[in-house]
Amino acid sequence: EIVLTQSPGTLSLSPGERATLSCRASQRLSDTSLAWYQQKPGQAPRLLIYGAVNRATGIPDRFSGSGSGTDFTLTISGLGPEDFAVYYCQQYAYSPGTFGQGTKVEIK
Amino acid sequence: QVQLVESGGGVVQPGGSLRLSCSASGFSFSSFGMHWVRQAPGKGLEWVGFIRFDASNKYYADSVKGRISISRDNAKNTLSLQINSLRPDDTAVYYCAKPSQKYGYRDYFDSWGQGTLVAVSA
Repeated sequence: EIVLTQSPGTLSLSPGERATLSCRASQRLSDTSLAWYQQKPGQAPRLLIYGAVNRATGIPDRFSGSGSGTDFTLTISGLGPEDFAVYYCQQYAYSPGTFGQGTKVEIK
Repeated sequence: QVQLVESGGGVVQPGGSLRLSCSASGFSFSSFGMHWVRQAPGKGLEWVGFIRFDASNKYYADSVKGRISISRDNAKNTLSLQINSLRPDDTAVYYCAKPSQKYGYRDYFDSWGQGTLVAVSA
């Protein structure tokens, strides 16, 4: 089973700042099969990025994904008040699909 | 617009059973494989299982294998999850999730239900 390790566990930032979230896979992922989700308290996860770099429908362009192989990054270029949430990465290159443990982006 | 609505959660004693349902609309349910994902309170996301569009194949996480069964009724656009021999560590919000592709086993999830809470407690 592929283990995804997200860092940091918590990111304390102010609105307008840039957020950089990391996701590292225990094995190389083929086809950049990595997705990012945002989850707010009491809500279901929402797809942000798929294929490591592709924004899902309706996702603002301040969200961007990058990376390949074992190292992936989600960048939020300027945090809006609605962006404070928990973010998960997911690999779907290998079965079973697995999720990272999450990074919480909180208001500083 | 895709809509997934789970139901059937509740409080169950250890060793008990529960059947969860997911009602789907807004897409061709009978053409898509479907997944269940769960989230323990304050914890991360855990994939639980998958059923192919025609129910000909099912895959389950090792943590629940032998205790769960996923089924579907394509005529009623409904997905089901039967969980037996419930344990306290099965306490979680259970989500049904739609993959982006029709086969969709190794895939990301472009739509999620709101989830239903299962609490296993004496």
